Amino acid sequence: DSGVTQTPKHLITATGQRVTLRCSPRSGDLSVYWYQQSLDQGLQFLIQYYNGEERAKGNILERFSAQQFPDLHSELNLSSLELGDSALYFCASSTNIAGALTDTQYFGPGTRLTVL
Amino acid sequence: AQKITQTQPGMFVQEKEAVTLDCTYDTSDPSYGLFWYKQPSSGEMIFLIYQGSYDQQNATEGRYSLNFQKARKSANLVISASQLGDSAMYFCAMRRQGAQKLVFGQGTRLTINP
Repeated sequence: DSGVTQTPKHLITATGQRVTLRCSPRSGDLSVYWYQQSLDQGLQFLIQYYNGEERAKGNILERFSAQQFPDLHSELNLSSLELGDSALYFCASSTNIAGALTDTQYFGPGTRLTVL
Repeated sequence: AQKITQTQPGMFVQEKEAVTLDCTYDTSDPSYGLFWYKQPSSGEMIFLIYQGSYDQQNATEGRYSLNFQKARKSANLVISASQLGDSAMYFCAMRRQGAQKLVFGQGTRLTINP
């Protein structure tokens, strides 16, 4: 158990809908990262938040947004869903010590999203 | 740009044998970190081991060790005395100094046969 929690574990929805994925980082971690794992794209970095502020952005679609709240939990919002958004969405957290390459990202169990 | 290549899509190994999973990387950055993760069929990503580009010794963590050859830009994972529970997907990843994101390879599916 990494200490990172994600809910829900599974999500089935229809095209055009909007969903929210939730993540709680490990105790003491200030950084939260979101990744998408799909069969065709592999594991892709979406976005990172550090202590409530957006720190880095990757291949995140405009239909997707995220935020980190004062209690450090994070939510990933996916809207106008398409069939191709079906994937496993991971949240990871780290202490994000500035400049430290050893800053390890610990992953949650993932949310499997199926868009029908 | 960074790139991770894992050339073995699948590997089959007998229980108790050692196994080496290959990982080569491409970066022009002098300072970077290399990570290996395990993804069992249940789906979670489990951190296994880390190697820094300036580390003089190969990293070890229990039955896991990293064969780091900087000049060849390779960071192969060695699992000693394999167990049935080692059957999983294994991902090599890299993060360069100053960057936040991990860049992953495509993974290797390891199957341990009894």
